[in-house]
Amino acid sequence: AQSVTQLGSHVSVSEGALVLLRCNYSSSVPPYLFWYVQYPNQGLQLLLKYTTGATLVKGINGFEAEFKKSETSFHLTKPSAHMSDAAEYFCAVSAPGNQFYFGTGTSLTVIP
Amino acid sequence: DTGVSQNPRHKITKRGQNVTFRCDPISEHNRLYWYRQTLGQGPEFLTYFQNEAQLEKSRLLSDRFSAERPKGSFSTLEIQRTEQGDSAMYLCASSSGQGLNSPLHFGNGTRLTVT
Repeated sequence: AQSVTQLGSHVSVSEGALVLLRCNYSSSVPPYLFWYVQYPNQGLQLLLKYTTGATLVKGINGFEAEFKKSETSFHLTKPSAHMSDAAEYFCAVSAPGNQFYFGTGTSLTVIP
Repeated sequence: DTGVSQNPRHKITKRGQNVTFRCDPISEHNRLYWYRQTLGQGPEFLTYFQNEAQLEKSRLLSDRFSAERPKGSFSTLEIQRTEQGDSAMYLCASSSGQGLNSPLHFGNGTRLTVT
């Protein structure tokens, strides 16, 4: 069965500081992993995805994530937080049967 | 690519009434998904279509919920005899269906409030 766990429902960082949002997955097959961002009253927007190949994946807005099979992790990072990064972030895994399973989300606050 | 469109954006209804939401996916996408999102939670899978065929339904989708996708284009989600527990954001997403690595593209959702 596929699932994702996001550690930390709320993360606060200072503007310019490193952003680290954690995601661990469980999958019975090689996973396809995704990070989405959601701004208030909007749908989810794809930040990046891991399918196969390079384990360090770069996405939009300066975000990147590294797939670590040994740790079953897919943590999202950004070297320097910007005020506009304040949003809800969701990790997701796709599964046979064409379903996508989402974590419970991490709310990122950026402190000026 | 005009994106996924959902209507209405907001719906307020009284308990016991029926409501219907519409989703227009990205035109070349053959897969269409409905999700429900409550405050502080991630999206929960409700159902999905491949073209006009509804291939899977979640246990969350009670008998009061029905979804259709006639002709494999737009989709509707109807909730009959609404309950306060149905209050949530209903998200529609589509994908090109070229394997599990095809990401979902989401609309902005319909926020339902049942009073």
